[in-house]
Amino acid sequence: GESVGLHLPTLSVQEGDNSIINCAYSNSASDYFIWYKQESGKGPQFIIDIRSNMDKRQGQRVTVLLNKTVKHLSLQIAATQPGDSAVYFCAENPPGTYKYIFGTGTRLKVLA
Amino acid sequence: ETGVTQTPRHLVMGMTNKKSLKCEQHLGHNAMYWYKQSAKKPLELMFVYSLEERVENNSVPSRFSPECPNSSHLFLHLHTLQPEDSALYLCASSQGQGRETQYFGPGTRLLVL
Repeated sequence: GESVGLHLPTLSVQEGDNSIINCAYSNSASDYFIWYKQESGKGPQFIIDIRSNMDKRQGQRVTVLLNKTVKHLSLQIAATQPGDSAVYFCAENPPGTYKYIFGTGTRLKVLA
Repeated sequence: ETGVTQTPRHLVMGMTNKKSLKCEQHLGHNAMYWYKQSAKKPLELMFVYSLEERVENNSVPSRFSPECPNSSHLFLHLHTLQPEDSALYLCASSQGQGRETQYFGPGTRLLVL
């Protein structure tokens, strides 16, 4: 079946360094992608999205990169802070449906 | 806060109990969703409501019964659950049913004994 997966289940990063969280998606027709952040005891929180007609999109301290050739998505967090510690999900949205296919998540740990 | 609230936040119930989860959104959205989140598994879509009509039942067992009395409220009625139903149940809402960002509530942590 189709799935969205993450390469690293846990990522530890020193405070102040940049973080890169990767995601592979399997449906080459997917044309919309979202990154969510889920802190302990909270629901997923929207971070940033990107459509397939773009390769890169920047937000505040976050950048999402999309490589459609290899069906790869990444989330870059600049100057990682303790408050960035959370589980990060990527999700893909195939065309013609409102359904999102979520990955299992990567836990980001920020070391002081 | 995302504008989506859920109660209770934690629930412990026996397999013979009947309980209900409540979700309320204050965003003026027209679509609401129930998801199940189990450890080490991706989010699983359970039900979708659009303008108070159920548009999706993702092969969910009948021991889970959703109810959407209006566009701001969503319930999940639970009865005769199994221990494997223990999970975090997340409610979400979006402006429409199409390519819209979904905003999640904090979830209800359910433990079935």
